[in-house]
Amino acid sequence: QKEVEQNSGPLSVPEGAIASLNCTYSDRGSQSFFWYRQYSGKSPELIMFIYSNGDKEDGRFTAQLNKASQYVSLLIRDSQPSDSATYLCAGGGRGNFNKFYFGSGTKLNVKP
Amino acid sequence: SQTIHQWPATLVQPVGSPLSLECTVEGTSNPNLYWYRQAAGRGLQLLFYSVGIGQISSEVPQNLSASRPQDRQFILSSKKLLLSDSGFYLCAWSVLPFGGNTIYFGEGSWLTVV
Repeated sequence: QKEVEQNSGPLSVPEGAIASLNCTYSDRGSQSFFWYRQYSGKSPELIMFIYSNGDKEDGRFTAQLNKASQYVSLLIRDSQPSDSATYLCAGGGRGNFNKFYFGSGTKLNVKP
Repeated sequence: SQTIHQWPATLVQPVGSPLSLECTVEGTSNPNLYWYRQAAGRGLQLLFYSVGIGQISSEVPQNLSASRPQDRQFILSSKKLLLSDSGFYLCAWSVLPFGGNTIYFGEGSWLTVV
């Protein structure tokens, strides 16, 4: 069973729209959840992390966590062509063993 | 500020040859260190993680090994590469401060086994 699952996409949205990316996880002990953006051929870069149930906003990005449903999402408002990338969801940070498990990523295409 | 260096950036190796990828972290002490592999079009697979010098945990059986000879140095090795070892290898680090932790990646190493 995969620890973290994502829809591989691609998810296509027009420029200026809201992109919604979703992720589910299986380990109820996971404490921390992360969203990374990965451009083709590059290493992942951290966008946001979230630890508590609810929403967390940072600029155009909002992360949502629902621990009861084991569900994490990322909303990107006013999507730009430069947001086109693969978005990786990760969970982990359980106790002192900081093992982070990543989903396979969702490819986002923002069309001008 | 903390930085992570990983090298070499790219390499092409014949099947059966050895491998050594190196990673160093600057600007922090006692980090947790990781090696991930990303096959073409796939997600990140955790290979090894380390919480301290000489402490290595393996996630999956394979012909790779890892070592941590110094606090901020992490090495990924193989004695004999397989075609299936091709991929994008990422070193990463994290620190557990009060209240949580995050993981940061190096620039990655592209390995092609031919």
